[in-house]
Amino acid sequence: RKEVEQDPGPFNVPEGATVAFNCTYSNSASQSFFWYRQDCRKEPKLLMSVYSSGNEDGRFTAQLNRASQYISLLIRDSKLSDSATYLCAVGHDKVIFGPGTSLSVIP
Amino acid sequence: SQTIHQWPATLVQPVGSPLSLECTVEGTSNPNLYWYRQAAGRGLQLLFYSVGIGQISSEVPQNLSASRPQDRQFILSSKKLLLSDSGFYLCAWSVPGQTIPLHFGNGTRLTVT
Repeated sequence: RKEVEQDPGPFNVPEGATVAFNCTYSNSASQSFFWYRQDCRKEPKLLMSVYSSGNEDGRFTAQLNRASQYISLLIRDSKLSDSATYLCAVGHDKVIFGPGTSLSVIP
Repeated sequence: SQTIHQWPATLVQPVGSPLSLECTVEGTSNPNLYWYRQAAGRGLQLLFYSVGIGQISSEVPQNLSASRPQDRQFILSSKKLLLSDSGFYLCAWSVPGQTIPLHFGNGTRLTVT
């Protein structure tokens, strides 16, 4: 089993839709969790951190479920500019990234 | 504020040639430093990380090596490149004592021909 897994997609959604991504991790000792966004042929950029209590930043909501060992990212009211690959990152003594989920927002 | 510089941005090298990619961080002391590789259509693979000068941990056995000659300088090298070394190489840093969040450089796109 891979340490961090994501549905690779692609997710093709119309503008204004709500889309949710999930990410599962295998190391129960993991301590830090983040979502990154990566545009085509660019470096990943930090999107937001993930806490058990939930974390909301505008249209984006991230959630951590330690018992089930998964994290989620919810994007509301999708914009064309949200099209990108979304990577989850899980940290303990090192950081492991998921393979990423590709999102295309269609006009 | 902290900045990370990585160069070159693109590189085309023949099989068997050497490689040297450099990364420097400004605005912080004793950062954790990382080298990742992303093959075409693949996820990020951790290659090396360093928590201090001369301290290198290798994650994947291969023909690459890393060195940290100065506190904020991280170098990725190879004596002889393979076709399979092609990919997008990313340097990253994090605050001392913390593994994430990571902040990435712009990356080097390496094509081995």
